[in-house]
Amino acid sequence: KQEVTQIPAALSVPEGENLVLNCSFTDSAIYNLQWFRQDPGKGLTSLLLIQSSQREQTSGRLNASLDKSSGRSTLYIAASQPGDSATYLCAVWRNTNAGKSTFGDGTTLTVKP
Amino acid sequence: DTGVSQNPRHKITKRGQNVTFRCDPISEHNRLYWYRQTLGQGPEFLTYFQNEAQLEKSRLLSDRFSAERPKGSFSTLEIQRTEQGDSAMYLCASSFYLGANYEQYFGPGTRLTVT
Repeated sequence: KQEVTQIPAALSVPEGENLVLNCSFTDSAIYNLQWFRQDPGKGLTSLLLIQSSQREQTSGRLNASLDKSSGRSTLYIAASQPGDSATYLCAVWRNTNAGKSTFGDGTTLTVKP
Repeated sequence: DTGVSQNPRHKITKRGQNVTFRCDPISEHNRLYWYRQTLGQGPEFLTYFQNEAQLEKSRLLSDRFSAERPKGSFSTLEIQRTEQGDSAMYLCASSFYLGANYEQYFGPGTRLTVT
């Protein structure tokens, strides 16, 4: 059974700091990994999708990396801003028909002005 | 395209009542997913459709839950005889499944409160 862990559960940083969020998964036979952002009481917003054949993806100040062999992904946020405050979730899809996914419980980020 | 929409956004019901939620995916997306999320947890997979076919259903989904996607467009999720433990945010997502590169796009969710 796939398990996804995100540590830490919460993180508070001053504005302007670079930071890394971690996602680990127990079964390396994954299809894709996707990072999401969720604001309180809202749905999820897709940030980055990494295919299993890729090692990283970048979008603006965000960079996500994937190391399947070690069962880890990281989301790097450069020059953090108060607007980055949210919960960040990672999800993995099995190496089959990419239907069922498993989510971590997220890291809640607070960026202080 | 306006994205994935869900209705209603909030639903308060009494224990034992039936409720139905609707999800309208992004129009060209052939896959539609339902998730349940409780406070402080990540979304839990419930079921998904490819076009009108329901391809997988989680063991978490009891017989009181049923989902349909009759014409491969919108989907409904019905919960019969609601229980307090059903209180959660119900999220819908859609994607276009073709090859390896796809992304899931989520709707705003329906928050269910069972009193």
